[in-house]
Amino acid sequence: AQSVTQLGSHVSVSEGALVLLRCNYSSSVPPYLFWYVQYPNQGLQLLLKYTSAATLVKGINGFEAEFKKSETSFHLTKPSAHMSDAAEYFCAVTPAGGTSYGKLTFGQGTILTVHP
Amino acid sequence: GAVVSQHPSWVICKSGTSVKIECRSLDFQATTMFWYRQFPKQSLMLMATSNEGSKATYEQGVEKDKFLINHASLTLSTLTVTSAHPEDSSFYICSAREGGRRNQPQHFGDGTRLSIL
Repeated sequence: AQSVTQLGSHVSVSEGALVLLRCNYSSSVPPYLFWYVQYPNQGLQLLLKYTSAATLVKGINGFEAEFKKSETSFHLTKPSAHMSDAAEYFCAVTPAGGTSYGKLTFGQGTILTVHP
Repeated sequence: GAVVSQHPSWVICKSGTSVKIECRSLDFQATTMFWYRQFPKQSLMLMATSNEGSKATYEQGVEKDKFLINHASLTLSTLTVTSAHPEDSSFYICSAREGGRRNQPQHFGDGTRLSIL
């Protein structure tokens, strides 16, 4: 079964510092991967997606992620954190085929705190 | 683009009543929509996949008679929590997939917080 692990339930950075949120997947076949952000009491907003095109994916709000097959990773980064980036971030995966294709499995989420 | 509207945002009701939640794709057609449940400080758990014009597919452990799903049009899916009890209190979130390809991203509504007294 597909699974995704987000290392670190809480990440704290200073405003202007690099943001790195980690996501690893378990699958013998590279899946499709997504990063979403959730603000309190709201739904999820898509940041970016990997669907087997370029391995370095650029998303909204200055975020990007790199798909590394050898490391089964899809870490999310942003060069300089803003206070408005404080939220919870979810990595999600769907297999590239099979009966679960198209269904998302979410990681446990990482709460990003940005302090002045 | 790709806006999903979910209503209501908050519902408080007595135990035993039924509650209907609507999920609409406002600017695209969605043949497939999804319903999730999120417990406090936890991730999203898929409850069911809603397909326009056909029966929903429920995940293991989800009671289909408790959580009724209807997807009568390409822009609307509804989730009805029947005879709700306090343990059904949760944050319910819908999503809609844009386009026909299953690797396309899902776009999410803002969720419905359901509180059963």
